[in-house]
Amino acid sequence: KQEVTQIPAALSVPEGENLVLNCSFTDSAIYNLQWFRQDPGKGLTSLLLIQSSQREQTSGRLNASLDKSSGRSTLYIAASQPGDSATYLCFTKASGTYKYIFGTGTRLKVLA
Amino acid sequence: DTAVSQTPKYLVTQMGNDKSIKCEQNLGHDTMYWYKQDSKKFLKIMFSYNNKELIINETVPNRFSPKSPDKAHLNLHINSLELGDSAVYFCASSLEGGEQFFGPGTRLTVL
Repeated sequence: KQEVTQIPAALSVPEGENLVLNCSFTDSAIYNLQWFRQDPGKGLTSLLLIQSSQREQTSGRLNASLDKSSGRSTLYIAASQPGDSATYLCFTKASGTYKYIFGTGTRLKVLA
Repeated sequence: DTAVSQTPKYLVTQMGNDKSIKCEQNLGHDTMYWYKQDSKKFLKIMFSYNNKELIINETVPNRFSPKSPDKAHLNLHINSLELGDSAVYFCASSLEGGEQFFGPGTRLTVL
C-alpha cells in the first residue's frame, strides 16, 4: 500500500532563503508526481507535474525533482518570499491503477 | 472563465438530510474526481470517473454517489448525512492520468 510522507510537517524561514521540501513514497511504481500549494481556506493550485520518465521540472523559482528508485521527490524554492507561505502537498498516481495518494503536507511560513 | 467550479461554496445542513454538490469543468478534460479533506487537512480521493468507468475508493460509504450528466459535470450526492461527513469536498479534473486541476472546495457542515 502506497504511503506518501512529507517532512518537515512545518517550516519557518526568513525571506530570501532557498529551501527544499521533501516527499517520500513507499512504492516506486508511480505514474507521475504532482506538487500543489494550498492557501488557508482555499483550493489547491498545481505547481509542477513530473512524469515517471522525467527527473525534474522547473517553473520560475520552483524546481521539482523525482528519484523513483529511492522513493523521493523534492521541491526546491529559490529566494523565498512571504507570498510563498502556504501548505505544500505532493501527490502521486500509481502506475497501472487508479490509486491517487496525497502526501501529509508541509506548512511553510516565510517571514518578512 | 473559471476552470473548475463548485457550488455551493458553503453548505450547512442537519443530520439525516440528503444534499448535492455540483462540479463543472470547462477544460475539456475527460476525467473528473472528488476528494475529501478532513479536519486534520488530510486529502483523500473518493471517486474518479471518466466516460468509461467509475472507480470508487472502497472506504467511501455507499451513501455517497457521483452522478455525471455529461463530460463537463460530476455532481456528488450524499444521502442520510452524518456528523462525520463534515469536511471540505474538492472536485478536480484532468485528461486521463494527467495533471489535475482543483475546484475551490465546498465546506460541508452537518449539525
